[in-house]
Amino acid sequence: GQQLNQSPQSMFIQEGEDVSMNCTSSSIFNTWLWYKQDPGEGPVLLIALYKAGELTSNGRLTAQFGITRKDSFLNISASIPSDVGIYFCAGSFSGNTPLVFGKGTRLSVIA
Amino acid sequence: DSGVTQTPKHLITATGQRVTLRCSPRSGDLSVYWYQQSLDQGLQFLIQYYNGEERAKGNILERFSAQQFPDLHSELNLSSLELGDSALYFCASSPRLHQETQYFGPGTRLLVL
Repeated sequence: GQQLNQSPQSMFIQEGEDVSMNCTSSSIFNTWLWYKQDPGEGPVLLIALYKAGELTSNGRLTAQFGITRKDSFLNISASIPSDVGIYFCAGSFSGNTPLVFGKGTRLSVIA
Repeated sequence: DSGVTQTPKHLITATGQRVTLRCSPRSGDLSVYWYQQSLDQGLQFLIQYYNGEERAKGNILERFSAQQFPDLHSELNLSSLELGDSALYFCASSPRLHQETQYFGPGTRLLVL
């Protein structure tokens, strides 16, 4: 089946640093989504991307839909302690096909 | 708060038993999705219902079944439980049938002993 490779698996950064993570697919997706999951909670939708090349921001978060449609990137600027959590990418070819999730990037922020 | 509710929050049971997990979607959402999240597998899609009808199936075991009721809440039934079924089970909802943007509930943590 389809697989999403998300990297890095984990990262430790200092408060105030910028963060970059990415997701690659073996096949084309037409929608990319980024979710954040806090411990003991469900994933929360951060950003949705619907068009190749699209760059979308949500506060300090910026995500891009790769032009090949096989990858996506999430950047967090000026990290703060509450950014700690697991970030998941998810992709879909169409509304008829289920979302495929990456295995997540675990972010730790050191104050 | 996503607006999706799930009960119970935690469930501890024994192998061979049967449990039912419940989900209420966001107000107005017609699609409900069930996912299993385990440490080594990430989020795995199980099944989707739309307005009471099953619409898509993922990696759902035959021992598992689900349904969506006329009031749009959904239940996931897990039977003949095995140790490996221990996981977080999430429900998500979206407004329409073909809608990639999904909103997740807080999950049910199932522990099978």
